[in-house]
Amino acid sequence: KNEVEQSPQNLTAQEGEFITINCSYSVGISALHWLQQHPGGGIVSLFMLSSGKKKHGRLIATINIQEKHSSLHITASHPRDSAVYICAVVRGGADGLTFGKGTHLIIQP
Amino acid sequence: EAQVTQNPRYLITVTGKKLTVTCSQNMNHEYMSWYRQDPGLGLRQIYYSMNVEVTDKGDVPEGYKVSRKEKRNFPLILESPSPNQTSLYFCASSYGTSGISEQFFGPGTRLTVL
Repeated sequence: KNEVEQSPQNLTAQEGEFITINCSYSVGISALHWLQQHPGGGIVSLFMLSSGKKKHGRLIATINIQEKHSSLHITASHPRDSAVYICAVVRGGADGLTFGKGTHLIIQP
Repeated sequence: EAQVTQNPRYLITVTGKKLTVTCSQNMNHEYMSWYRQDPGLGLRQIYYSMNVEVTDKGDVPEGYKVSRKEKRNFPLILESPSPNQTSLYFCASSYGTSGISEQFFGPGTRLTVL
């Protein structure tokens, strides 16, 4: 079983819909990252969380440390949000990153 | 412009021919790392470095070497490449000395080993 599981693997939605992507992990962590990979391949960091909630524009990320779960929400989704969204954790007491396999999101106009 | 650069961006080589992929950052970051990305497996960490002369293995270090002689550079060395090392490689850097800070990624290097 992978240490980091994302769901769904693929998601297609209509423009304007509220999107939720989930990340569950099975190990103790010191931080969790949400990354975005565009169709061209480039990867950008969206959030880094160790507790609570963060918001940037239409994106919201939450984490529940007790339940070992994080969610990424996109409000008022737009076709330009189409990308692969990747969750990564930093295991407690370690310095490396372990990744989920990503969620492929397509927003249709 | 603050950035992480990788060279080459594309490389086709043959089994056993030593190669180096360079990575350089201009943000004075302490932490640098190499990842490979494969279909169905996602991103996996190869090696990382918390500071100059300090490196550690990630999840898939076999067949790779790294060095961190200067803060800005973190080359990835494949001494004897094999076809199973065909992959998309990303270098990344961040401010802190661990993975607990925002990661800045390079553009990627697509490597094919024949």
